[in-house]
Amino acid sequence: KAGVTQTPRYLIKTRGQQVTLSCSPISGHRSVSWYQQTPGQGLQFLFEYFSETQRNKGNFPGRFSGRQFSNSRSEMNVSTLELGDSALYLCASSLDASTEAFFGQGTRLTVV
Amino acid sequence: DAKTTQPNSMESNEEEPVHLPCNHSTISGTDYIHWYRQLPSQGPEYVIHGLTSNVNNRMASLAIAEDRKSSTLILHRATLRDAAVYYCILTDYSGGGADGLTFGKGTHLIIQP
Repeated sequence: KAGVTQTPRYLIKTRGQQVTLSCSPISGHRSVSWYQQTPGQGLQFLFEYFSETQRNKGNFPGRFSGRQFSNSRSEMNVSTLELGDSALYLCASSLDASTEAFFGQGTRLTVV
Repeated sequence: DAKTTQPNSMESNEEEPVHLPCNHSTISGTDYIHWYRQLPSQGPEYVIHGLTSNVNNRMASLAIAEDRKSSTLILHRATLRDAAVYYCILTDYSGGGADGLTFGKGTHLIIQP
């Protein structure tokens, strides 16, 4: 079956702009989580959605937001981009939070 | 969240077994032990998980100490494709919801041909 699909794979944005990243989970998976990976901080949890509801959020500023649609697809938005937001953004899907997570290949965001 | 401690890096030879250790001395009774790995330029990949008993799957085996304060991921016959960063993660699903996976720095496994 198809894996987790993230689009776009690469993105370059200017400081101050906003960006929207997309994640299509594996068919039938209702839980979608987002992570940020940087060389300095490693992999950090952003938030998790289940059936269109955000169930938990990591320690990130309000500029980071997300949503989930009725077909379980999810989007993540970052407003007023800062240079420090440059990172690999990973999406993971699972049947529920208690089952194994399947990760996409990520979106590489560069803020200049 | 309960914390895990792993060696920064380990080196092994191709076609030999690899034992990756993980210490989690503050583990609670409801914490599951998960292992993920991340190959270069890819997202993390689930390897195995367990609660109390040892577990086997097609990728690896997980040996859990009797007191659950440590565990070992065993790759029975390493190949060059197993070179990756391996993360040992504790999760508590007893309360429902999703607190997210807490990734530490992991162990960078180097496989020599």
